[in-house]
Amino acid sequence: LAKTTQPISMDSYEGQEVNITCSHNNIATNDYITWYQQFPSQGPRFIIQGYKTKVTNEVASLFIPADRKSSTLSLPRVSLSDTAVYYCLVISGYSTLTFGKGTMLLVSP
Amino acid sequence: NAGVTQTPKFRVLKTGQSMTLLCAQDMNHEYMYWYRQDPGMGLRLIHYSVGEGTTAKGEVPDGYNVSRLKKQNFLLGLESAAPSQTSVYFCASSFPGLAGRTDTQYFGPGTRLTVL
Repeated sequence: LAKTTQPISMDSYEGQEVNITCSHNNIATNDYITWYQQFPSQGPRFIIQGYKTKVTNEVASLFIPADRKSSTLSLPRVSLSDTAVYYCLVISGYSTLTFGKGTMLLVSP
Repeated sequence: NAGVTQTPKFRVLKTGQSMTLLCAQDMNHEYMYWYRQDPGMGLRLIHYSVGEGTTAKGEVPDGYNVSRLKKQNFLLGLESAAPSQTSVYFCASSFPGLAGRTDTQYFGPGTRLTVL
């Protein structure tokens, strides 16, 4: 399984764009990258998943360079309610999910 | 559609007591999972099930047992609770996934367990 590395914490202000980068140097050819969000006292929630280039949905964008050794989760114009822990995971086929410590994003007024 | 529900929400046990945590999902998912989350840590997989009547060990299975007698329910049992099992327990469920990749997991609200 590819190991992921992401910052422990990040700070931002309301209205700013936040980019959280995750490195996964050992990612395999068939692996996918997925991100989950967890609010305090709640279970994680799926945000976005991608294989290469760029994926966008209603809440975030995911940028994956050609070598796929890293990925960047982009949250446009964050609000206070985006304060949460964000997990980067590499999905290897039918393997189960492996959660690291994630990135604690704190959004201030 | 309730999604994934967990019972109970909170529980306090004494060392050596037993209990069962219940997870129920109404999304007709084949796969179900039990995780534990300790303070400041990510989630660690305890056991999982890929279908009714089947279970498998995850990363930290010791001290826990599970059963999947019905597709919609996944039970996590602690036969003799220990203080090291104080944690927040999350249940999740998913479809098998397409094209050989794990599908999105849907999580329950969690059960906060304290073992004294």
